[in-house]
Amino acid sequence: GAVVSQHPSRVICKSGTSVKIECRSLDFQATTMFWYRQFPKKSLMLMATSNEGSKATYEQGVEKDKFLINHASLTLSTLTVTSAHPEDSSFYICSAENRDRGVNTEAFFGQGTRLTVV
Amino acid sequence: KQEVTQIPAALSVPEGENLVLNCSFTDSAIYNLQWFRQDPGKGLTSLLLIQSSQREQTSGRLNASLDKSSGRSTLYIAASQPGDSATYLCAVGDSSYKLIFGSGTRLLVRP
Repeated sequence: GAVVSQHPSRVICKSGTSVKIECRSLDFQATTMFWYRQFPKKSLMLMATSNEGSKATYEQGVEKDKFLINHASLTLSTLTVTSAHPEDSSFYICSAENRDRGVNTEAFFGQGTRLTVV
Repeated sequence: KQEVTQIPAALSVPEGENLVLNCSFTDSAIYNLQWFRQDPGKGLTSLLLIQSSQREQTSGRLNASLDKSSGRSTLYIAASQPGDSATYLCAVGDSSYKLIFGSGTRLLVRP
């Protein structure tokens, strides 16, 4: 399957600072990328959908000013958690798809980022 | 609103057993269904993708079936091994072209 690389895998930051997480598709062009958040022993909650070159679409209840998403190229999307607080501590995962030929495509996921805000 | 349920939430079996994981969804208007594996603290690995027009997919010891009309999918694992221990997640691609995930089944295969 295709490879999606997410970096960093773990990050600890101080409350009030910002953290950037990168998601790269290494061997295909990702027209669409998704960002998820996962709480312990829970399922994945979709935060936002981003299409290359356009603004991200956020799910209801997700603060767009807090979780900034940029998808400036077909291989890179970034999620920036701004003014992080301890309640933002979580596991964040990205996925990528190439939807040039339609939406019936397989989703490939990054390795996830464990964010801890102290 | 699409809801995905996975039963059981946790399963412990001895090595060598064949097992079935269940996934059900409330809205049959899906465009595909994927099964994933997640190891602790890691991302998701795609196991099988079933398009809405298909009934099943097979990969090695894994077989996934899809019955859209009843809103069900099963993941069959043959001859289970300790290395199969992980959380298995099912996700449906819904009418808004997003993946909706179940809460997963935590599988432990005992040596």
